[in-house]
Amino acid sequence: ETGVTQSPTHLIKTRGQQVTLRCSSQSGHNTVSWYQQALGQGPQFIFQYYREEENGRGNFPPRFSGLQFPNYSSELNVNALELDDSALYLCASSRLGQGIGNEQFFGPGTRLTVL
Amino acid sequence: GQSLEQPSEVTAVEGAIVQINCTYQTSGFYGLSWYQQHDGGAPTFLSYNALDGLEETGRFSSFLSRSDSYGYLLLQELQMKDSASYFCATVGGNQGGKLIFGQGTELSVKP
Repeated sequence: ETGVTQSPTHLIKTRGQQVTLRCSSQSGHNTVSWYQQALGQGPQFIFQYYREEENGRGNFPPRFSGLQFPNYSSELNVNALELDDSALYLCASSRLGQGIGNEQFFGPGTRLTVL
Repeated sequence: GQSLEQPSEVTAVEGAIVQINCTYQTSGFYGLSWYQQHDGGAPTFLSYNALDGLEETGRFSSFLSRSDSYGYLLLQELQMKDSASYFCATVGGNQGGKLIFGQGTELSVKP
């Protein structure tokens, strides 16, 4: 069973640029969630995709957008990057409605630095 | 709003027992989960409580009191490898089970 993978591991961008982060879900999982984790903070929910449709969104502006593909891989796109977007971006996959407490399986994250 | 409170840091010695508390204020509460994260790596699931009471998984136990909006994670027979950040998270069932995390508790285990 392959775990959740994310790419790239690290990324440096400048303010105003756009970035795309990628996630490959664990085999058999149909749901992917994205979280932003600032240094020393807990992960904050950005949004979730289920069967290629957005299935819930946190308190993030529209410049944060996503896609889920038929093979359940996913992308997080951030436009017009701001300095405060510097964070660890975590992808988590699960099977909606299954597992213990909707247990989510996290990838290792992408560390984004905005200069 | 929705919020979870937990201590920012806890220090203990090898072999000891430590308890990490979590109080929460959320709407649409379905349960309380605990995750472990080493050095900014991938958070990993430890336990989940949907009902009041204690759940035991090896050296780790988790407790929930829904009436008090309170839970805790109990770690026994501490090992150096338990040094990590621990997060409580509420499970919101109204949006596909999104997790709302606390700020995290950094546990340092000393020899």
